[in-house]
Amino acid sequence: SQKIEQNSEALNIQEGKTATLTCNYTNYSPAYLQWYRQDPGRGPVFLLLIRENEKEKRKERLKVTFDTTLKQSLFHITASQPADSATYLCALPLSGGYQKVTFGIGTKLQVIP
Amino acid sequence: EAGVAQSPRYKIIEKRQSVAFWCNPISGHATLYWYQQILGQGPKLLIQFQNNGVVDDSQLPKDRFSAERLKGVDSTLKIQPAKLEDSAVYLCATQGVGETQYFGPGTRLLVL
Repeated sequence: SQKIEQNSEALNIQEGKTATLTCNYTNYSPAYLQWYRQDPGRGPVFLLLIRENEKEKRKERLKVTFDTTLKQSLFHITASQPADSATYLCALPLSGGYQKVTFGIGTKLQVIP
Repeated sequence: EAGVAQSPRYKIIEKRQSVAFWCNPISGHATLYWYQQILGQGPKLLIQFQNNGVVDDSQLPKDRFSAERLKGVDSTLKIQPAKLEDSAVYLCATQGVGETQYFGPGTRLLVL
C-alpha cells in the first residue's frame, strides 16, 4: 500500500542554521509533492509544490528537492528563525484519485533563539 | 480574497450526542474536502465534493458521519451519534484551479 514517512520526532535547531526535513514514500510514483506548514490551532498552509520532472524548487528561504529514484523529498529552511517553528507536512497525490492528496504525519520544527 | 471559514471553532459534547460543523469555501472553488486530524497525525480525508456532488467518501464512517454540500457552496459535516474516538480537529479545505488546497482554521471537537 502507499505510504508516506516523515520523522515523527521533533527537530530542534539553533536560530540561523539550516533546517532539513525529510519526506519518504513507498509504492508511489507521484506526479508532484507538496509541503504545507501548520501552526498550533490552525489549518495547514501551502508552501511549495515540486513536480516529478523538477529536481529543486526555491521560494525565499525555502528549498525543496525531489528525488524520484530515492523516493524522497527534502525540505530546507535556510537562516532559520524562531518564527519558522511549526509542524511541516508533506502531501502526495493519491494514485487514481481526482485531485486528492494524502498527508504525512508532519515533523515539528522548533527553532531555538 | 477571503479564506475558508469554519464554525464553530470549538465544541464539547457527550458521547452519543450529535454535532454539526459548517464550512464556507473560497468563492469559486469547486472542490471541497473534509479532513479529520487526530492529535499528532496528519489530516485524514473523510469526503471530497466536486461542486455539489460527492467524488470520494470511501473513508467516511457512514454509519455515523454524513456530509452535504447543497448548491455547491457551503458544506456541513454531521456526526450522529458521536464516539469518544471522534475527538479530533475537523478541517475543511477547498481547491480551485491547480493543486493547492486552502484550509480553514478547523473545528476542535472533544467528546466526553
